[in-house]
Amino acid sequence: GQNIDQPTEMTATEGAIVQINCTYQTSGFNGLFWYQQHAGEAPTFLSYNVLDGLEEKGRFSSFLSRSKGYSYLLLKELQMKDSASYLCAVRDKDYKLSFGAGTTVTVRA
Amino acid sequence: IAGITQAPTSQILAAGRRMTLRCTQDMRHNAMYWYRQDLGLGLRLIHYSNTAGTTGKGEVPDGYSVSRANTDDFPLTLASAVPSQTSVYFCASSPGFSYNEQFFGPGTRLTVL
Repeated sequence: GQNIDQPTEMTATEGAIVQINCTYQTSGFNGLFWYQQHAGEAPTFLSYNVLDGLEEKGRFSSFLSRSKGYSYLLLKELQMKDSASYLCAVRDKDYKLSFGAGTTVTVRA
Repeated sequence: IAGITQAPTSQILAAGRRMTLRCTQDMRHNAMYWYRQDLGLGLRLIHYSNTAGTTGKGEVPDGYSVSRANTDDFPLTLASAVPSQTSVYFCASSPGFSYNEQFFGPGTRLTVL
């Protein structure tokens, strides 16, 4: 099974950078994912890492260290619309996803 | 293109009643999933289907059943609802079980009294 930890809440100012950390313990690692979920809406896919290193996609970047069981999602040039929950998820060798409880990010003007 | 739809949007149900949550996708995705989302616990996989005609159990399958008679539909049934099944239920799909991205429906908010 998976044990996934991420902070419950974070607050940042518009235009700033926020880093959301995720640590995990797994019996069979097969990829790490980040999803964004606005309040009352469905989750939407942000990023995928399976190898160590940084994946950049516009204002969002995701990093993975498999040896440390650690990932982070970096949100740059924060905008008000980035206020949402960010879900870290780990896929096991059977291709099933386990999600963390999510980190609620509030962007303030 | 509708993508993935769920019905009903919300429902209040008496304990002991039977309820089927509907999920339909028009993307011809092979894999489909049911999750429940509870505050502080995140999304948890209930059941999944790799392809039409096959289903499998996820992390929290007890009290739920699914069927996959065709590619498009993946209904979730609560045979006898209990208050602990109060949750938001999300259906998701992906082109294949090993595909990286899952596409989620809008969710069904279910309250069992």
